[in-house]
Amino acid sequence: DQQVKQNSPSLSVQEGRISILNCDYTNSMFDYFLWYKKYPAEGPTFLISISSIKDKNEDGRFTVFLNKSAKHLSLHIVPSQPGDSAVYFCAASGGGTYKYIFGTGTRLKVLA
Amino acid sequence: NAGVTQTPKFRVLKTGQSMTLLCAQDMNHEYMYWYRQDPGMGLRLIHYSVGEGTTAKGEVPDGYNVSRLKKQNFLLGLESAAPSQTSVYFCASSKGSYPYQETQYFGPGTRLLVL
Repeated sequence: DQQVKQNSPSLSVQEGRISILNCDYTNSMFDYFLWYKKYPAEGPTFLISISSIKDKNEDGRFTVFLNKSAKHLSLHIVPSQPGDSAVYFCAASGGGTYKYIFGTGTRLKVLA
Repeated sequence: NAGVTQTPKFRVLKTGQSMTLLCAQDMNHEYMYWYRQDPGMGLRLIHYSVGEGTTAKGEVPDGYNVSRLKKQNFLLGLESAAPSQTSVYFCASSKGSYPYQETQYFGPGTRLLVL
């Protein structure tokens, strides 16, 4: 049973437009969420996080929204740039555990 | 400051062979993790450690063993490799402890092919 789901395997967006990547989770004990970005042949790198006490967190062009009642989070990238083309993973943690559960990833392609 | 490094970068094994993957971090992090990444499966936790001398099982621990004899190193062993263990292996480390979550820093990965 997959506790963290990214239902869109891929997404294509025009440069300058908004990219919206979605993530759903099933475990109500999760209280900390992160987004990672991964380029080919490299390890994932941290992008942005959000705690369950917030519903929004911004960092430059990146904003993460958390809807606890729907068990849904989303990552908005505005404006999208070709360098944003990568695979994006969401991850969740909570319930007194040190473990992170990752989604399957969404491959974003930003078209110039 | 190298961050998290992994050795080797790529390896080919025959079924039944053994090998050890080495992860090293120079950030004085307490927590270290081993993941595997397979197509369509995301990152799955194999084993993790919350401090020197401690290890614990993750989601997919079967066929792997780990050791954390030194704080900076986390070793992943395959005693008898199987084709199902063909994957990309990532090591990660983090500083914080629950509930003060800290982000994980990942190494560049080890690509393993088991024939």
